[in-house]
Amino acid sequence: KQEVTQIPAALSVPEGENLVLNCSFTDSAIYNLQWFRQDPGKGLTSLLLIQSSQREQTSGRLNASLDKSSGRSTLYIAASQPGDSATYLCAVVGQGAQKLVFGQGTRLTINP
Amino acid sequence: DVKVTQSSRYLVKRTGEKVFLECVQDMDHENMFWYRQDPGLGLRLIYFSYDVKMKEKGDIPEGYSVSREKKERFSLILESASTNQTSMYLCASRRQGLAGYEQYFGPGTRLTVT
Repeated sequence: KQEVTQIPAALSVPEGENLVLNCSFTDSAIYNLQWFRQDPGKGLTSLLLIQSSQREQTSGRLNASLDKSSGRSTLYIAASQPGDSATYLCAVVGQGAQKLVFGQGTRLTINP
Repeated sequence: DVKVTQSSRYLVKRTGEKVFLECVQDMDHENMFWYRQDPGLGLRLIYFSYDVKMKEKGDIPEGYSVSREKKERFSLILESASTNQTSMYLCASRRQGLAGYEQYFGPGTRLTVT
């Protein structure tokens, strides 16, 4: 059974820092991995989708990498801003399954 | 832009009531999903639908049913609401296909059952 883990559960950094969020999964047979952002009391916003054949994807200040063989993904946020404060979730779609399996998320706080 | 809308942002219902949560997407997606999100438990899949009139149980279907009569609309039904169904409910949609498609979420419905 696929399990997704995100460490740390919470992270607090000063504004302007570059930071990395981690995601690991137990079964490397995945179709893709998706990173989401969730603001308090709101739905999930899709940030980046990485296909299993890709190594990374970039969108603005965000860069997500995927190492399928080791079961890891990272989300790199450059020049962090207070508006980046949110919970970040990663999720994978396993081969043979249509469902996303989510991690518990990392709650990020950017301090002005 | 893909848009997934949910009928209510906040809902308060009484124990034993029948509750309908509606979800509509405007991108002709085949797949639709209902999740609930609770502190400490994360996102859990209740039901999903591959296409019209098709449904499959997710991880926690007990106490829920669903309806998909039209492609754009996926309804979650609580036949007899109970206090342990107080939660944030999130709907999502995605184009059919195993690989490569993003899943898009609605804004969520915060349901309180008293």
